[in-house]
Order: sequence, then C-alpha cells, then structure tokens
Amino acid sequence: EAGVAQSPRYKIIEKRQSVAFWCNPISGHATLYWYQQILGQGPKLLIQFQNNGVVDDSQLPKDRFSAERLKGVDSTLKIQPAKLEDSAVYLCASSLDHELAGGPRETQYFGPGTRLLVL
Amino acid sequence: TQLLEQSPQFLSIQEGENLTVYCNSSSVFSSLQWYRQEPGEGPVLLVTVVTGGEVKKLKRLTFQFGDARKDSSLHITAAQPGDTGLYLCAGAAFDGKRDDKIIFGKGTRLHILP
Repeated sequence: EAGVAQSPRYKIIEKRQSVAFWCNPISGHATLYWYQQILGQGPKLLIQFQNNGVVDDSQLPKDRFSAERLKGVDSTLKIQPAKLEDSAVYLCASSLDHELAGGPRETQYFGPGTRLLVL
Repeated sequence: TQLLEQSPQFLSIQEGENLTVYCNSSSVFSSLQWYRQEPGEGPVLLVTVVTGGEVKKLKRLTFQFGDARKDSSLHITAAQPGDTGLYLCAGAAFDGKRDDKIIFGKGTRLHILP
C-alpha cells in the first residue's frame, strides 16, 4: 500500500514570496491533516479536513496560510507571503476517519514532509 | 493551554543499556500515543494507550499510561543503534468544542552509541 506522498521535499524561498505544498493521502482515507514542525519541537496541527470539509483550523494563521482539499483527496497548503519564522517541516498525515465511535483516535499515517527554508 | 512536557530532551547512551523517557501533563487525556521520527521522515506510530494504568509491550519497548491519564513513560530494554530517533508523545483531549484535539510534546532525541 502506497504511503502519504508529499512534494516538494525541499523548498528554499525568500521572505515575502509565496510557496505551495502538495499532499496525496493514502487511498480511501477520509481525514487529512497538515502539521508544522519547527526545529526542536513536536508537530503542531495547522488544519484538519474530513473529506473536503474543514474540521479544525484554529491554529492556522489565516492571514497568510490557506489550504484546500477540493475533491476530498489531494490537498494543497499555501503560504503567502512567507516570513522567516515559517521555516519548518510541513507534514501531511491521513487517517481512515478522525475517530472511531467510542474508540481511540484512528492511526495517523505521516508523509515524509516538506522542509521549507525562508531566507 | 494543554501542554505535554517530555524529558529528557536529549539522551545518548551505549548499546545494551536500559532507558526510560517521560511524557507529563497537568491535563487528562482520553488517549496518548507514542511516535518515533527518524531524520527526513514523518513520525511513525508505535502505540496508543487508552486506559489509566495500561501497560503495552512492543518487543523491547514498554509503554505505560499513568493511572490518572496525565502522564506516560516509555522504557527501552537493551537499547540498540536502530532505536536512535526522536520519540514523540501525543495526547488527545476533549477541548469542549469538538471530539478531541491532539497535541504533541517536543520529543526526546535518543542516540544509541554502538
């Protein structure tokens, strides 16, 4: 079974430029997550989709970050304009569903991430 | 604000030694997960614990969830170089608005010397 695919793997841009990341989740997974992982820290959830609807975007800096999952499959995360503090690894994860009824959270499968450096 | 504190931040030990890393919080979690992340890769789930006091074993790794569901530990017996990596704990807690919200600790970076 193919895992979560992300591209590009690396991106270097200058501040105030725009950048976009792409994620293809595991086939059949309804839930998709974007995380930001700053060096030396754990992943921080930016946005969670259930099919093509947003479940949680409370930690997404909406003045510069946007994400979409138009057909409930692939997703893109965009930063416009980028700031120095956006340098991080952006991880995409997917799960069959965000939780089983009455059970623990479904397993999230992570992609390899996109490493962004803003100069 | 819910926080997960992991300790130690860094640990470097010789192959064959035992070690324990900790994940602590003042919040109660409905479940807690441990992940291992290797350089250039995303985190990989090792285990999910749900019940207070629960103990789960995965080969040489033993995971324990605290009785009050606020803390957890990971014990590795006879560490091997392949255990090297970043160990992350992640807790799921009801935030009053939606089913559950998952937060990650900063991780323990483990290096096993051959």
